[in-house]
Amino acid sequence: GAVVSQHPSRVICKSGTSVKIECRSLDFQATTMFWYRQFPKQSLMLMATSNEGSKATYEQGVEKDKFLINHASLTLSTLTVTSAHPEDSSFYICSASPPGLETQYFGPGTRLLVL
Amino acid sequence: AQSVSQHNHHVILSEAASLELGCNYSYGGTVNLFWYVQYPGQHLQLLLKYFSGDPLVKGIKGFEAEFIKSKFSFNLRKPSVQWSDTAEYFCAVNPYSGSARQLTFGSGTQLTVLP
Repeated sequence: GAVVSQHPSRVICKSGTSVKIECRSLDFQATTMFWYRQFPKQSLMLMATSNEGSKATYEQGVEKDKFLINHASLTLSTLTVTSAHPEDSSFYICSASPPGLETQYFGPGTRLLVL
Repeated sequence: AQSVSQHNHHVILSEAASLELGCNYSYGGTVNLFWYVQYPGQHLQLLLKYFSGDPLVKGIKGFEAEFIKSKFSFNLRKPSVQWSDTAEYFCAVNPYSGSARQLTFGSGTQLTVLP
């Protein structure tokens, strides 16, 4: 099956610093990847759609200048949380779909803790 | 905007009991429907999906779900649960756009199976 990886799996940073999270599709190319955020005991909320070679599409209420997305290749999308604050602490999950399939495959997630 | 409701937040069952988790969605058009499972410490995995055809779909690990269009429901069932089924279960909907493949998730149901 399709495999999506994320790196790092866990990161702790100081308030005010920036953190980059990588999402890779390991055995397929993905023109579109998705970034979700999951709060404790809550569902996944779509943050943005990452489009290879073009600007990401952000959901309402998501600050595009704070959550920078770069989809520079067909197998890699990055999410950078800029000037992180404690309220940005969360579980960030990416997903991608192999070409021609309607099913998304999810990465293992990245747990971010901002002190 | 579409929404997905999972009315059971936490379900506790004994092994061998039957399971039914409710999922209702609000969207007037054609949809693709999914159930994902998240085992403790692991990433989201696809249990089953419905795109079209037979409204009773079978997934992995003995799970099945029935799409009832008139009720806007896609309930998940398993005749006899095992301790290893302890996990969080998410229902998700994708409006049939053919391209974006964005998912809207329900709030999740935590299933605890007692040995």
